[in-house]
Amino acid sequence: DVKVTQSSRYLVKRTGEKVFLECVQDMDHENMFWYRQDPGLGLRLIYFSYDVKMKEKGDIPEGYSVSREKKERFSLILESASTNQTSMYLCASSTYSGDSYEQYFGPGTRLTVT
Amino acid sequence: DQQVKQNSPSLSVQEGRISILNCDYTNSMFDYFLWYKKYPAEGPTFLISISSIKDKNEDGRFTVFLNKSAKHLSLHIVPSQPGDSAVYFCAASPRATGNQFYFGTGTSLTVIP
Repeated sequence: DVKVTQSSRYLVKRTGEKVFLECVQDMDHENMFWYRQDPGLGLRLIYFSYDVKMKEKGDIPEGYSVSREKKERFSLILESASTNQTSMYLCASSTYSGDSYEQYFGPGTRLTVT
Repeated sequence: DQQVKQNSPSLSVQEGRISILNCDYTNSMFDYFLWYKKYPAEGPTFLISISSIKDKNEDGRFTVFLNKSAKHLSLHIVPSQPGDSAVYFCAASPRATGNQFYFGTGTSLTVIP
């Protein structure tokens, strides 16, 4: 069974703190993604990675960085958390097989920055 | 700029009737489309997909229609069940450039028993 796990379901941090969100997938997928979901804005792509040590900026990378040292793990880092980074963060992984591909999502981390 | 749009934030339907969720896109390079379903406090789960070589794809109660000339797709759920109540996201991808997906803002479906 396909599985994407995220380190925390709920997280509360203070402004200025460094925050690490971890994502692990057990499907040997090449591609991994970080999104944030906000009301009225849908899912917006922050960063993605096609391979170990590779990363690409998505639509809203400002204030974030990522790390992919192992194929199964993709970390999102908030260097100095701010209140406008309060959001639901979703990790996903995917692979291409035949003529189709889809993303599998983790359960999400609800981050509150106070 | 939002390249994938779901103009109806919410939809209510009686149990047993048809639910129709709509999605419009602007980028003519998009050629692969997916629908996801999301319950509160859970990640989105894949529902159904369609590639641009087709105009219809069915999976049980779920059917997706694609109108490339209008840059429009729709998801039909027949018959609707209370367990279908969730937020539905459509997503689009230009397959040739990899599998980066662009998501709509979602439509919250409520199926009334």
